[in-house]
Amino acid sequence: DTGVSQNPRHKITKRGQNVTFRCDPISEHNRLYWYRQTLGQGPEFLTYFQNEAQLEKSRLLSDRFSAERPKGSFSTLEIQRTEQGDSAMYLCASTLGQGFYTGELFFGEGSRLTVL
Amino acid sequence: AQKITQTQPGMFVQEKEAVTLDCTYDTSDQSYGLFWYKQPSSGEMIFLIYQGSYDEQNATEGRYSLNFQKARKSANLVISASQLGDSAMYFCAMREDLVDSGAGSYQLTFGKGTKLSVIP
Repeated sequence: DTGVSQNPRHKITKRGQNVTFRCDPISEHNRLYWYRQTLGQGPEFLTYFQNEAQLEKSRLLSDRFSAERPKGSFSTLEIQRTEQGDSAMYLCASTLGQGFYTGELFFGEGSRLTVL
Repeated sequence: AQKITQTQPGMFVQEKEAVTLDCTYDTSDQSYGLFWYKQPSSGEMIFLIYQGSYDEQNATEGRYSLNFQKARKSANLVISASQLGDSAMYFCAMREDLVDSGAGSYQLTFGKGTKLSVIP
């Protein structure tokens, strides 16, 4: 399978613990995005990487959230000191593009976080 | 104000019939793009169709067509000949190009979605 891969698919944790999600984009894609989706809502943008550079962050991304994309390949999203409000599906997407892209985003199946 | 509004939380359609899912958007940009994605129960977002703001013809992709009415700021999705496998959540999304600021747009803004159920 050469699509966007995310793991773990499900994570249950206790409030206050740290969690990390990994995203492996489609290999030639230079752009990588993280979105968060809560129940009954559409995905909300969190952050964007072009190659290894993090170019944009949403104000939804509090200082407890950090994302990296070393070497412009896979990406990790870490949430420190989790809160119950962090419970959501975390979606990763990638695409190949320059400038104003018109191409589609390819999404992974998401990582579902439940904070108890 | 919401940038993407989907007013139909749920829709039912008979198999083999056509259905229209509504989407209105709000932007002051002249350059933008509109997308529709399908999200089945498995959770993966699947791209369906794209319409650029400067495209004069409505986009079509197989059984999907986008009814783009720029003056009304609407971008409705039409699914023809519905199939049972079309049952899913459908999201409308917009990319704003921020041309005046010189900034590329790196994010999509999604609506809340419409749950489509196809009845045999």
